[in-house]
Amino acid sequence: GQSLEQPSEVTAVEGAIVQINCTYQTSGFYGLSWYQQHDGGAPTFLSYNALDGLEETGRFSSFLSRSDSYGYLLLQELQMKDSASYFCAVRDRGGGKLIFGQGTELSVKP
Amino acid sequence: SQTIHQWPATLVQPVGSPLSLECTVEGTSNPNLYWYRQAAGRGLQLLFYSVGIGQISSEVPQNLSASRPQDRQFILSSKKLLLSDSGFYLCAWSDLGGGTGELFFGEGSRLTVL
Repeated sequence: GQSLEQPSEVTAVEGAIVQINCTYQTSGFYGLSWYQQHDGGAPTFLSYNALDGLEETGRFSSFLSRSDSYGYLLLQELQMKDSASYFCAVRDRGGGKLIFGQGTELSVKP
Repeated sequence: SQTIHQWPATLVQPVGSPLSLECTVEGTSNPNLYWYRQAAGRGLQLLFYSVGIGQISSEVPQNLSASRPQDRQFILSSKKLLLSDSGFYLCAWSDLGGGTGELFFGEGSRLTVL
């Protein structure tokens, strides 16, 4: 089976940097994804790591270490609009299905 | 461009009543299709996924069922709703094989069972 662990909540101030960690256990692994979900909305895709290392997309970066079964999402220059829930997800062998973690609620304070 | 439509957006149903949520995808062929449920303040639980017409995999045994009568149509059903079926239901699609791991979600259907 698969399981993912991430902190339930994180608080940071505007302009700061925050890192959201994710550890996973899977029977097969094809990549780690990150999604953002604002209250009442649908999740939207942020990033995907299939190989070890850092992927950067604007203010957001995502890191993967397959040997450690670990990844993180790094958010820089935090803005109030970044307040949302962030989910890590792993893709396994079965038709590309994604299994999600329980999510980290990020609160950005002024 | 690809779009995904999901309806109804909101519904309130009594315990024991039937349920039908529909989802259609436009602008792509042979997508993988998914139904997720999200309880308040919780993560996304994968309920069903489909890699083709008539091919449905169930992830969680429960009183829900799914069908894929056409390539780009995915339906979630129940014959008799339970209180525990309340939640936010999300339909999603991805390229066949999952590609980059990107799922495209519909706007969701918020179900309240009373």
